[in-house]
Order: sequence, then C-alpha cells, then structure tokens
Amino acid sequence: SAVISQKPSRDICQRGTSLTIQCQVDSQVTMMFWYRQQPGQSLTLIATANQGSEATYESGFVIDKFPISRPNLTFSTLTVSNMSPEDSSIYLCSVEDLDRWNNEQFFGPGTRLTVL
Amino acid sequence: GQSLEQPSEVTAVEGAIVQINCTYQTSGFYGLSWYQQHDGGAPTFLSYNGLDGLEETGRFSSFLSRSDSYGYLLLQELQMKDSASYFCAVRSGNRDDKIIFGKGTRLHILP
Repeated sequence: SAVISQKPSRDICQRGTSLTIQCQVDSQVTMMFWYRQQPGQSLTLIATANQGSEATYESGFVIDKFPISRPNLTFSTLTVSNMSPEDSSIYLCSVEDLDRWNNEQFFGPGTRLTVL
Repeated sequence: GQSLEQPSEVTAVEGAIVQINCTYQTSGFYGLSWYQQHDGGAPTFLSYNGLDGLEETGRFSSFLSRSDSYGYLLLQELQMKDSASYFCAVRSGNRDDKIIFGKGTRLHILP
C-alpha cells in the first residue's frame, strides 16, 4: 500500500490569491492524480500527473488555473490560482501503481479549501 | 459520453444485507472498482472486478457482468460503521487510462 500526506490539511484564502497543495507519497508510484470533491459529491478528476511528462488535464480544467508539478516519483504539487469562492472544495491527491493488478488507487487525506 | 449510475441513497438495518447497484456506459472497459468514504475521510479501496463474476472479501462482495455493463456491491452483516458513501468506478480504456467515479451512494444504517 501507499501512504500519502497532503499539506496543508485546510486553508482559508482570499479571492484572487493562489494556494499550492503538496502531495507526498512514501513510495515511488507511476501514476498520480488530482481530484476535487464538493462535500457530499463525487470525485472530479482535475488532471493526471505522471513523472517526466506534462500533466494531462480533464475537460473544464486548464493549466493556467491549476498548474501541476511532478518533479519525482514521490511528490507532486497542485496550485489553485487566482482563486474565487467557486474554488472552495476538497482537493485530493491519489496515486496508483501500474504494477498492481487490481486498479487500486490510494488517496491522501485531502485539503479543505475555503475561498472568501 | 461516459457515465456511471448508482442510487443516491440506500437505507438498511444493522445486521441485514444491502446491495448497491452500478450501471456504466463507457467507450471501453478495463475494470470496475468500489470505494468507501466516511464523512470527512478519504476514499478507500474495497474491491475490483476485471472479469465477470463475484469477488468476495470478508463481509463485502462485488459482482460484475460485462455484457450487461452492470455491477453491484453486496454488504453483509451490516454494522453501524458501514454508514458511509460508496462509489463505483470504471477504468474505461487501457490499463493506464483514468478512472471515472460514479456519484456515490449514501448508505444509512438503522439500529
């Protein structure tokens, strides 16, 4: 299994500012994902971040708004730029090891973001 | 488009059995997974079905019928701690394609 930590666990930010969320994994993993989840809602994939390549963004999400770094196989950051209240959500980092046969994804504890 | 359908809420009694269904419509299919999420917690993996049939893990079982684009999660001997949201998820294409999550089923357990 993989143990994932995220920083910060929560934050309250002002409109127009940016926040960078860090995701640290205790082992090397090939695939890393960033999700957004509104309370009581499903998980919406923002982007897939694989080491050594540009992040792949889902429809509705753009790099200028959500820049992602993946410098190595254990770490990634997601920045929420020029925030508005609509960005208030829980942001989750997730990893998957392609060597595992069962498609299991491991999730970090999430970052609860509130934008005023 | 790609979509997964599951009931928004299910209520059951402690000690009983409950089944949560999931139907999917995707351009390809690599496997159906189930995740559990307690309030305030992160999703945790429960099961995976890559082939038709039933997979059993303790009190939880998961079933898949690829011809019907259908699966279900079966929870037996329900306990209060099973109160949570349950998400079905499908990998739609190749092994390294993204996983799409359903909207989740909120399971309420009555004493």
